[in-house]
Amino acid sequence: KQEVTQIPAALSVPEGENLVLNCSFTDSAIYNLQWFRQDPGKGLTSLLLIQSSQREQTSGRLNASLDKSSGRSTLYIAASQPGDSATYLCAANFNKFYFGSGTKLNVKP
Amino acid sequence: EAQVTQNPRYLITVTGKKLTVTCSQNMNHEYMSWYRQDPGLGLRQIYYSMNVEVTDKGDVPEGYKVSRKEKRNFPLILESPSPNQTSLYFCASGTGRYGEQFFGPGTRLTVL
Repeated sequence: KQEVTQIPAALSVPEGENLVLNCSFTDSAIYNLQWFRQDPGKGLTSLLLIQSSQREQTSGRLNASLDKSSGRSTLYIAASQPGDSATYLCAANFNKFYFGSGTKLNVKP
Repeated sequence: EAQVTQNPRYLITVTGKKLTVTCSQNMNHEYMSWYRQDPGLGLRQIYYSMNVEVTDKGDVPEGYKVSRKEKRNFPLILESPSPNQTSLYFCASGTGRYGEQFFGPGTRLTVL
């Protein structure tokens, strides 16, 4: 069974700080990895999708990287804002999708 | 607006009473799937469908059924719900098995 792990489970930072969220997976035979944010009581919003042939993807203040050989993906958030407060989830596609448990981010004004 | 819709959004029912949660997408996506989200267990895939009349089991299919008779709809059926199926359910669609996934708003189900 595939496992996807996200560390830390929770993170609190002051506004303006750059931060990195981590996602690790147990199998290098990954098709792609997708990052989502989930606000309380809401659905998942897609942030970035990285295919296995790619190393990184960028969207605005977000940058996601993928290293299949080490089984790791990172989500970099630049100049964090209170509106970034949410739970961030990664999903690894091994022909079926496996989600990490998420990192709950709190950005303090 | 491109979206995935689910109905109902909230449902309280009793053990053994059959129910259906509907899912519809307007993006002409071939791939659709169902997940449940539970505290401490995260999101787990229940069933997925690669196209019309093509469905397959995810990680936790026991107690659930699905059908894909039309491209846009992918209902989740609980023939005899039990309390351990109390959960938050999400439907998702994507351009294919390897494409970006888009999620619906969720259905909170309570089985008494």
